[in-house]
Amino acid sequence: NAGVTQTPKFRVLKTGQSMTLLCAQDMNHEYMYWYRQDPGMGLRLIHYSVGEGTTAKGEVPDGYNVSRLKKQNFLLGLESAAPSQTSVYFCASTHGIQGLDEQYFGPGTRLTVT
Amino acid sequence: KQEVTQIPAALSVPEGENLVLNCSFTDSAIYNLQWFRQDPGKGLTSLLLIQSSQREQTSGRLNASLDKSSGRSTLYIAASQPGDSATYLCAVKGGAQKLVFGQGTRLTINP
Repeated sequence: NAGVTQTPKFRVLKTGQSMTLLCAQDMNHEYMYWYRQDPGMGLRLIHYSVGEGTTAKGEVPDGYNVSRLKKQNFLLGLESAAPSQTSVYFCASTHGIQGLDEQYFGPGTRLTVT
Repeated sequence: KQEVTQIPAALSVPEGENLVLNCSFTDSAIYNLQWFRQDPGKGLTSLLLIQSSQREQTSGRLNASLDKSSGRSTLYIAASQPGDSATYLCAVKGGAQKLVFGQGTRLTINP
């Protein structure tokens, strides 16, 4: 059981470049989330999904897109990276059922945009 | 809008002490509250989850309490050890299974 995995672990982009972050979970969770963590700002929700084929905006969605084509995967895309998107990105997942609604986090992706 | 506050932002104590970390939230309409630990450069590890109907949860040397009506939770760590040094985050769950996080308490246990 790998839990929640994220690819890549580190990435450096130039302004204007695009990239996709991959999150995978092997716990058959319905709900998946993307957060960013910045010093002094804490963890903030970017986008989330309540099931395969669904996505919804979180607190800071601008500049990001997501897709959930398969239940186990949740992709986060940056179409035109900006220095303000330099951050550590975390993916999380949960069953979402009362009593099974603990959120599990991946190890993070450290992204630098120059 | 739900706001979660953790005080203090940093805490340093000698090894062996019992300590309490505090978390407060503004909207009592929550489903649960979760405490996490984060080591430098790492992801979040779940420590304890308290459902809204519960008052406390225990795991080993950790005990978390929840007072929903007053919007407060505490994480009690008994007999602290240097390995407990980390940042501790609390998060409350509201609608659509979304978590709102506090900014964390950075804990240092001195040998």
